[in-house]
Amino acid sequence: EVQVVESGGQLVRPGGSLRLSCVGSGFTFGDHWMNWVRQAPGKGLEWVASIKQDESEKLYVDSVKGRFTISRDNAKNSLYLQMHGLRDSDMAVYYCARGGPYLLGYGMDVWGPGTTVTVSS
Amino acid sequence: SSELTQPPSVSVSPGQTARITCSGDSLPRRYAYWYQQRPGQAPALLIYKDTERSSGIPERISGSKSGTTLTLTINGAQAEDEADYYCQSSDYSGNYMVFGGGTRLTVL
Repeated sequence: EVQVVESGGQLVRPGGSLRLSCVGSGFTFGDHWMNWVRQAPGKGLEWVASIKQDESEKLYVDSVKGRFTISRDNAKNSLYLQMHGLRDSDMAVYYCARGGPYLLGYGMDVWGPGTTVTVSS
Repeated sequence: SSELTQPPSVSVSPGQTARITCSGDSLPRRYAYWYQQRPGQAPALLIYKDTERSSGIPERISGSKSGTTLTLTINGAQAEDEADYYCQSSDYSGNYMVFGGGTRLTVL
């Protein structure tokens, strides 16, 4: 079965740091762009970051540039999101989503169940 | 960045046709996608490359694009189609992804 599963979400204080992980299975992880998408409580989807297969391209939404870092380890079928300087506005369910062999044209066709990041003092 | 605009809600009677629109200036130049998110679930890809159905999506669900407007059409709407629907595309550079605000479809 093709799937991705996120982990690492928890309660963190404003200004704190957190590292999210995502493990893929049932497909060749290294053949795909990978993405992080988040959804604040009661709100819509927001793209956060994308990473190319060999990490040579990393893209971010403006609101997280300089604070979040996307990375991957293809040998471990894993995607990561290192988050620093967390704000109230970062509180959300974070989804890992599989992309295609190229950034554009394929959409995000496999989604995990999400992991919840709560930012509160 | 490039914005995508969707109506907040659409209502349709069972068996009727539901149409959900998404408008954006970059749409003529960029591929777009549709996702369905049922309550309490993760999103699921319905349509890619403007009009292509993702694996397992029934033929009564289709996508189209004309100029700056993308349309998701659901023929013979059923109770199971009640969900939030999101369009997604990229800006002119192709390096910035964006989702529409989402449309809640009610079948009643």
